[in-house]
Amino acid sequence: ETGVTQSPTHLIKTRGQQVTLRCSSQSGHNTVSWYQQALGQGPQFIFQYYREEENGRGNFPPRFSGLQFPNYSSELNVNALELDDSALYLCASSLASGAADTQYFGPGTRLTVL
Amino acid sequence: GNSVTQMEGPVTLSEEAFLTINCTYTATGYPSLFWYVQYPGEGLQLLLKATKADDKGSNKGFEATYRKETTSFHLEKGSVQVSDSAVYFCALSDATDSWGKLQFGAGTQVVVTP
Repeated sequence: ETGVTQSPTHLIKTRGQQVTLRCSSQSGHNTVSWYQQALGQGPQFIFQYYREEENGRGNFPPRFSGLQFPNYSSELNVNALELDDSALYLCASSLASGAADTQYFGPGTRLTVL
Repeated sequence: GNSVTQMEGPVTLSEEAFLTINCTYTATGYPSLFWYVQYPGEGLQLLLKATKADDKGSNKGFEATYRKETTSFHLEKGSVQVSDSAVYFCALSDATDSWGKLQFGAGTQVVVTP
């Protein structure tokens, strides 16, 4: 069984640019969530997608947007990058979107904004 | 709003010592509780979970009991190994949310020395 994969592993961008991060869910999972983890902190929820629809959103501005595709893979897009966007971005997939459903995390994408 | 509070690290232990990491939470609903572990340079791995009061989660020698009366979910291991060195995150997912957003604590770094 293939776990959650993310690409790229590392990325360096400059302020004002746009970035797209990608995630492939674990087989059979229809729900994907994205988190931002700043250095030395716990992950912060960005949003969740369930069957291609946004299913909930954390306290992040609209320049953070996402997509989920029919095969349940997902993208996170960030426009107008700011220095504070530098973080590890984690994708997690789950069988469903309930509170008790375990979320399985990928290895993350380390984004550096200069 | 919901929140998770963990004891601050780093926690430094000798091999075979007893480990406790305290975690308390506040939640408006009836949360599921999780412990995740993050090894250096990696994503998060689920360590254990509990979905209702008095449930005990256990895995790889780690245990945690869901205590509703004290709103706690402390992580314990009887005899740690050097390979247990990592950052441990306590998290909750509130059942009143229709989507299973994970709310994380700040993490506790554990260092086990030979």
